[in-house]
Parts: sequence; structure tokens; C-alpha cells
Amino acid sequence: GDSVTQTEGLVTLTEGLPVMLNCTYQSTYSPFLFWYVQHLNEAPKLLLKSFTDNKRPEHQGFHATLHKSSSSFHLQKSSAQLSDSALYYCALSPNAYKVIFGKGTHLHVLP
Amino acid sequence: DPKIIQKPKYLVAVTGSEKILICEQYLGHNAMYWYRQSAKKPLEFMFSYSYQKLMDNQTASSRFQPQSSKKNHLDLQITALKPDDSATYFCASSQDRAEQFFGPGTRLTVL
Repeated sequence: GDSVTQTEGLVTLTEGLPVMLNCTYQSTYSPFLFWYVQHLNEAPKLLLKSFTDNKRPEHQGFHATLHKSSSSFHLQKSSAQLSDSALYYCALSPNAYKVIFGKGTHLHVLP
Repeated sequence: DPKIIQKPKYLVAVTGSEKILICEQYLGHNAMYWYRQSAKKPLEFMFSYSYQKLMDNQTASSRFQPQSSKKNHLDLQITALKPDDSATYFCASSQDRAEQFFGPGTRLTVL
């Protein structure tokens, strides 16, 4: 079946250091992949999406590359900011009207 | 103006009672969804609808029944409420397999 795996439940790092949040997936189709960010007491909102293999979408300094060969869509940023502290979800859409979210990774950026 | 309206924002119910969560979207999207998020579980897909037709159902319990009176409305009726139903319920919408836009959520507490 279709699934999304985010291996880290919590990532804590110091402001200015690089960020990498892992996301791997399994799907029998060619899914669309997304990253959503959720700040405390807010709704999730889209951070990045990738509809094309090996294209690198970017937003707010974050980027991710979809690699079908390794079934991965890791989220990266070169320098973390305090405001990046949030819950990050990787998600896939294997077909119309279905979206599967990973368990989420809490990113905690320290001053 | 808010594009996705959820009512109420907060809801307290007693065990065994029935409640209806309201969702309306004004984005012109053709798909609507319900998600649940609790301290125990991450963002959990429940239902998807398109033009008032159920497209996918990942909720095992029949106590949860979506209701669509108009194509931009998708309410969620929950019967025989249990304390474990306590969660934030998010409504979302999308156009085909594009990004999900989430409403502000309804925080349900069952006593």
C-alpha cells in the first residue's frame, strides 16, 4: 500500500545550522509529493510540492528534491531560523482525492 | 475573508452525545476532505468528497458520517461521542491533486 515515512519525530538544532528532514515513501503509482508546515495552534499549510522528477521546488529558503529512484523527498534548508520551529509533514497523493501524511517531524530551533 | 470556514472553533460535548462540525469552502475547489489530529495521532485522513460524492473513506467507525448539502459544504456528524474522539478536526479542500488548503479547525473535547 501507499505510505510515507518520516524517521525523526523531533529534530533540535541551533539557529544558523543546516536543516534536513527525511521523507521516504512507498507507492504503487507515480505520486505527487508535498511538504506541509504547521505552527503551534495553526492549521497545516503547504510549504513545497513536487510534481516532476528531479525538479527542485523552493520556498522560504526550504527546498526538496523528488528522487523516484530512492523514493525520497527530503526537506532541506541551508540555515535554520528561530521562526522555522514548527511541525513538518511530508505527504503524498497517490491518486485523486486521497492524501497520505507522514507522522510529522517537530523542528525545534534554538538560539 | 476566510476561504474555508469551520464552525464552531471550540466544542465541548458529553460522552454519548452527537455533534455536527460545519465546513464551507469558497475557493471553488472540486474536492473536500476531513482530517483529525490528536496528541496521540498525527494528521489522519478521514474522508474525501468531490461534488457531493464520497471518494475515499479511511475511517473505520460508522459513528463518523460526512454530510454534503452543497458542493462547497462538507459537514461531519459524529454520534455516540467518546473521550477518544477528542481532537482537532480539520476540513480541507483542493482542486484535483493539487495542494490541500486547510480550514482553521474545530477543537472537540469530549468529557
